[in-house]
Amino acid sequence: NAGVTQTPKFQVLKTGQSMTLQCAQDMNHEYMSWYRQDPGMGLRLIHYSVGAGITDQGEVPNGYNVSRSTTEDFPLRLLSAAPSQTSVYFCASSYSGTGEEETQYFGPGTRLLVL
Amino acid sequence: LAKTTQPISMDSYEGQEVNITCSHNNIATNDYITWYQQFPSQGPRFIIQGYKTKVTNEVASLFIPADRKSSTLSLPRVSLSDTAVYYCLVDRYSSASKIIFGSGTRLSIRP
Repeated sequence: NAGVTQTPKFQVLKTGQSMTLQCAQDMNHEYMSWYRQDPGMGLRLIHYSVGAGITDQGEVPNGYNVSRSTTEDFPLRLLSAAPSQTSVYFCASSYSGTGEEETQYFGPGTRLLVL
Repeated sequence: LAKTTQPISMDSYEGQEVNITCSHNNIATNDYITWYQQFPSQGPRFIIQGYKTKVTNEVASLFIPADRKSSTLSLPRVSLSDTAVYYCLVDRYSSASKIIFGSGTRLSIRP
């Protein structure tokens, strides 16, 4: 299994541009999430999904959209990039089982620089 | 969601045992305690999870007292490669997709 994959690994945008960060998992996980991590900080939850067709907002959803048309894919869209969105973005997935199966698997991250 | 408090940073030396304590005074009955490890430029990685008493795996041990208001991650005989940020999370299993991370503990291991 490839696990959780993210593309691109690195992206530079100009203010006002839009783009989509891709995330895919091949573990048949129902739960998927997007986090951002600013330098020296912990992770902050942007959006999450508990299954295909179901999404909800996390701590810092403004400026981002998500959709979940398939179990495997959970893209994150930046509508109009701003310098404040410069960060590292991590996608994660997990089982929908109980207790000890609920650990999350993280992708390698996408570094985004907005000029 | 239960809030967690852990030290911002810790230093230790190779071969030592390192214990990182996390406080979670508002932990709920259904909450599990989970620890993640994050190396620079990588996503977090699951280390260990527990509900009560003691849990041990090949990487670490997790000690949880009876009142569950705190937990201690124990790393035996650390090496330089254990230098990382360690996150303590408390959440019920049904909300795994929206787990909230704190700032974590930055552990530095010296030769």
